[in-house]
Amino acid sequence: DGGITQSPKYLFRKEGQNVTLSCEQNLNHDAMYWYRQDPGQGLRLIYYSQIVNDFQKGDIAEGYSVSREKKESFPLTVTSAQKNPTAFYLCASSILTAGGNSPLHFGNGTRLTVT
Amino acid sequence: GENVEQHPSTLSVQEGDSAVIKCTYSDSASNYFPWYKQELGKRPQLIIDIRSNVGEKKDQRIAVTLNKTAKHFSLHITETQPEDSAVYFCARMDSSYKLIFGSGTRLLVRP
Repeated sequence: DGGITQSPKYLFRKEGQNVTLSCEQNLNHDAMYWYRQDPGQGLRLIYYSQIVNDFQKGDIAEGYSVSREKKESFPLTVTSAQKNPTAFYLCASSILTAGGNSPLHFGNGTRLTVT
Repeated sequence: GENVEQHPSTLSVQEGDSAVIKCTYSDSASNYFPWYKQELGKRPQLIIDIRSNVGEKKDQRIAVTLNKTAKHFSLHITETQPEDSAVYFCARMDSSYKLIFGSGTRLLVRP
């Protein structure tokens, strides 16, 4: 069954700790993305990657880091430098086309709570 | 990236009525415009999309229209049902293959 798997579904951490959110896809998609969603808000882009070993900052990259060592995996680390880390984190992937017109497929999300 | 403006932020309609959500953008290089539906606590799911070489696309009760000259696109839901209640997001793909989302519209369909 192809798809995007995010784990865990819920994550709790103490302030000052780094935490890594997992995202794996078996869709053979080239591009992967991380978005953050706050309650009642839209989706804001944190980081994205179009090819292995390469990634770019999105609109709100400060306090986050990523890696893309494998095509299937795009983990996100929320560092202690992120001032307001509590949020719903969504990973997505897509194929890349010359026209730039393919949809994103989302994982089920990880709800991170930092206290 | 450049924002996508989405209106209204909330919309309440009677079951059976139509609902229309509008989005505007400023980057003329955008050529792909998807719409996502997100139910409470769940992931966004693609419901319809449109490419810049098309002015309108329809899928059963859902339709999307695009006016590239005016830089706006709209989602139309006809014969609304209670299960249409959700948050709807418009988006545009920029030249870097990033998807830029609108702020969302919370649709409530009253039975």
